[in-house]
Amino acid sequence: DAGVIQSPRHEVTEMGQEVTLRCKPISGHNSLFWYRQTMMRGLELLIYFNNNVPIDDSGMPEDRFSAKMPNASFSTLKIQPSEPRDSAVYFCATRLENSGNTIYFGEGSWLTVV
Amino acid sequence: QKEVEQNSGPLSVPEGAIASLNCTYSDRVSQSFFWYRQYSGKSPELIMSIYSNGDKEDGRFTAQLNKASQYVSLLIRDSQPSDSATYLCAVNSGNNDMRFGAGTRLTVKP
Repeated sequence: DAGVIQSPRHEVTEMGQEVTLRCKPISGHNSLFWYRQTMMRGLELLIYFNNNVPIDDSGMPEDRFSAKMPNASFSTLKIQPSEPRDSAVYFCATRLENSGNTIYFGEGSWLTVV
Repeated sequence: QKEVEQNSGPLSVPEGAIASLNCTYSDRVSQSFFWYRQYSGKSPELIMSIYSNGDKEDGRFTAQLNKASQYVSLLIRDSQPSDSATYLCAVNSGNNDMRFGAGTRLTVKP
């Protein structure tokens, strides 16, 4: 059974460019999380969806960040315009809610903004 | 105050010793607690979950939960060099999201 699939795995982009990160959840999972991880701030929750609806987006740093989940099989996290301080690993994680609540991570998208 | 707090370490123990990792959380209505392990350059992977007060054992790992003190711990017995990683405490909070501590970096020296 495929796990959480993220793309791209690595991206290097120039400041000011738009970045789109993608996530395909584990089939049947109904909750999806986007996290950002840096050495300084650890693993921060950006946004949490349940049944494709955003439940908590209080962690989204600013208006440059947006996330969507148009259906149960796909989510995107977009940064526009990107800045060097956005350089981090972005993880998508999913779970079947109320079934132990364990979340499963994708392999992450390593973003470098120069 | 952070919602989930861990001692960032680093924590260094000799091979064969017991490693003790601690975590406190602020949301009193939290009901589910997790320990994840993250190797350098990899994504976090689940080690243990715990939902009730007391101890839960799985092989060399024991998770301990005290809801009154809002405290979760992880003990690793007979530590091995392969246990060297960052250990992340996670808490399922009141609105059902999942918050992580900053992680404790553990090194097990041969």
